[in-house]
Amino acid sequence: GEDVEQSLFLSVREGDSSVINCTYTDSSSTYLYWYKQEPGAGLQLLTYIFSNMDMKQDQRLTVLLNKKDKHLSLRIADTQTGDSAIYFCAERDSSNTGKLIFGQGTTLQVKP
Amino acid sequence: DSGVTQTPKHLITATGQRVTLRCSPRSGDLSVYWYQQSLDQGLQFLIQYYNGEERAKGNILERFSAQQFPDLHSELNLSSLELGDSALYFCASSGLTGELFFGEGSRLTVL
Repeated sequence: GEDVEQSLFLSVREGDSSVINCTYTDSSSTYLYWYKQEPGAGLQLLTYIFSNMDMKQDQRLTVLLNKKDKHLSLRIADTQTGDSAIYFCAERDSSNTGKLIFGQGTTLQVKP
Repeated sequence: DSGVTQTPKHLITATGQRVTLRCSPRSGDLSVYWYQQSLDQGLQFLIQYYNGEERAKGNILERFSAQQFPDLHSELNLSSLELGDSALYFCASSGLTGELFFGEGSRLTVL
């Protein structure tokens, strides 16, 4: 079945760039997503990328997709303390249900 | 604000009890998804409804059930609760490109 893997923790200094990586297994995934979860809150959709794209940029966020290696990354430029959160990668299920399969989440710690 | 509403936000109950979690999807969204988030299991898909019909089932225990009503709100019923059922339960509804919009979650604590 589908599986999504992420590293569990990343620590960066304020102002640096953060890169969060994700690998997925389902090559037929049409959309891939990044969500952010702040402490005590729900999941907030950050961005998504369609599988026929290699890159998508949205302000400080850049998503890179390598379909051959089934690798997805999220780059946050000029990381701020407010970016500290858990970041989840998700792929759309290959069945027709539309459900998303999530990775375990990467905790991003931003040090001042 | 995602537009998805969940109640209650927090719930504390005892083992063996039964609780109901409620979700209202975004206006116009027909699908509702339920996910469970626990520390050791991450985000697990439980069940999906589309316009009142069950569409997909994930790792949902037999003690749990759900339904979606004609007004499209959904309820997740958890019965014979165990300590291990303590978790955050999220509801989501889906947008045009398949993205899920999540509610704030219901935090269940079973003592």
